[in-house]
Amino acid sequence: LAKTTQPISMDSYEGQEVNITCSHNNIATNDYITWYQQFPSQGPRFIIQGYKTKVTNEVASLFIPADRKSSTLSLPRVSLSDTAVYYCLVGYGGATNKLIFGTGTLLAVQP
Amino acid sequence: DARVTQTPRHKVTEMGQEVTMRCQPILGHNTVFWYRQTMMQGLELLAYFRNRAPLDDSGMPKDRFSAEMPDATLATLKIQPSEPRDSAVYFCASGLGQGTDTQYFGPGTRLTVL
Repeated sequence: LAKTTQPISMDSYEGQEVNITCSHNNIATNDYITWYQQFPSQGPRFIIQGYKTKVTNEVASLFIPADRKSSTLSLPRVSLSDTAVYYCLVGYGGATNKLIFGTGTLLAVQP
Repeated sequence: DARVTQTPRHKVTEMGQEVTMRCQPILGHNTVFWYRQTMMQGLELLAYFRNRAPLDDSGMPKDRFSAEMPDATLATLKIQPSEPRDSAVYFCASGLGQGTDTQYFGPGTRLTVL
């Protein structure tokens, strides 16, 4: 059963690049890694997903090493509006597999 | 802009009462998830459905919780009887295909059991 661990919180300043790491030592062969962003009083919102190596979209990059036991969400040039809780989600979602959210990382961006 | 809707947004009830939470997934989505979020436990998957059939509900206390999809446009989560420890925010999410696909979350139902 996959278990995910993230830092509880991180601080940054506007314009900096932020890297948030998620550990998932027991990731299964079929598991994907997905990252979500959550603002207060809202549901989580999809950011990016990957299986291996590197994935990039218009808002973030996701780096996954060869052993896939961790993943790093990279946010380029953060702004104040990026202050939120970031979750990694590991799993495949099949009938015999769990979807496990990480503990979440509170990113606080300061001016 | 298609969205997942949940009702009610807030619910305060007394211990022992039945609670029903409803979710309308995005039209066309065939996968529906129920999550519970608390400060102590974070986001926990309670159950999920694909094509209205329950695929996994192992995260849900069976003695008091039940989840159903009467039709493709409605998912329900019931708690009977409710207990104070059930106080949490309950999220519904919908998506296409596998659980790995993008999940679109609703705004949540904040439940307080006194």
